[in-house]
Amino acid sequence: DVKVTQSSRYLVKRTGEKVFLECVQDMDHENMFWYRQDPGLGLRLIYFSYDVKMKEKGDIPEGYSVSREKKERFSLILESASTNQTSMYLCASSELGPPYEQYFGPGTRLTVT
Amino acid sequence: QKEVEQNSGPLSVPEGAIASLNCTYSDRVSQSFFWYRQYSGKSPELIMSIYSNGDKEDGRFTAQLNKASQYVSLLIRDSQPSDSATYLCASSSGGSNYKLTFGKGTLLTVNP
Repeated sequence: DVKVTQSSRYLVKRTGEKVFLECVQDMDHENMFWYRQDPGLGLRLIYFSYDVKMKEKGDIPEGYSVSREKKERFSLILESASTNQTSMYLCASSELGPPYEQYFGPGTRLTVT
Repeated sequence: QKEVEQNSGPLSVPEGAIASLNCTYSDRVSQSFFWYRQYSGKSPELIMSIYSNGDKEDGRFTAQLNKASQYVSLLIRDSQPSDSATYLCASSSGGSNYKLTFGKGTLLTVNP
């Protein structure tokens, strides 16, 4: 079974703090993704990576950066957390080729106060 | 803008009935389609994927794809209270197949 893990289930941070969210997958997947999910807005792609050190912006990259130094690990960084970044953050991974099925981690519920 | 549209629901069915969830997509070149189940407070879980026109069955679940109509559906037979969840439809994004476009989900409630 594909296993995607995220570093924290719940996180509370203060406005202006630098926040690191980590994601690890154990299936040797090339592609990794970071989403945020908010009520009424659905899943929105923040960043994705298709190889080590390779990244592309998703639909809402502002205020975020990412790092992928190893194939199995993909980190999301909030440079200066703001209250509008309070959300559920979901990491996913998939193989490079078809069928492009994405497998999600358990999610991190981030609250910025 | 590529979109995947779903009725938000809630869709309410009695236990043992067939639940029918529908999804339309705007990107004509989409190749792959997926159904995810998401329980409240949990992350999405892949339950079905479909790539060819027609039906695909897996246990109590049947996915149906009609590319001409740009329509995907999920049927859940013999619905159980444990099927109560939000169901997300997703399609591959044409030129970049590894990116998915998600619908906002349909909330299904199965009443005992």
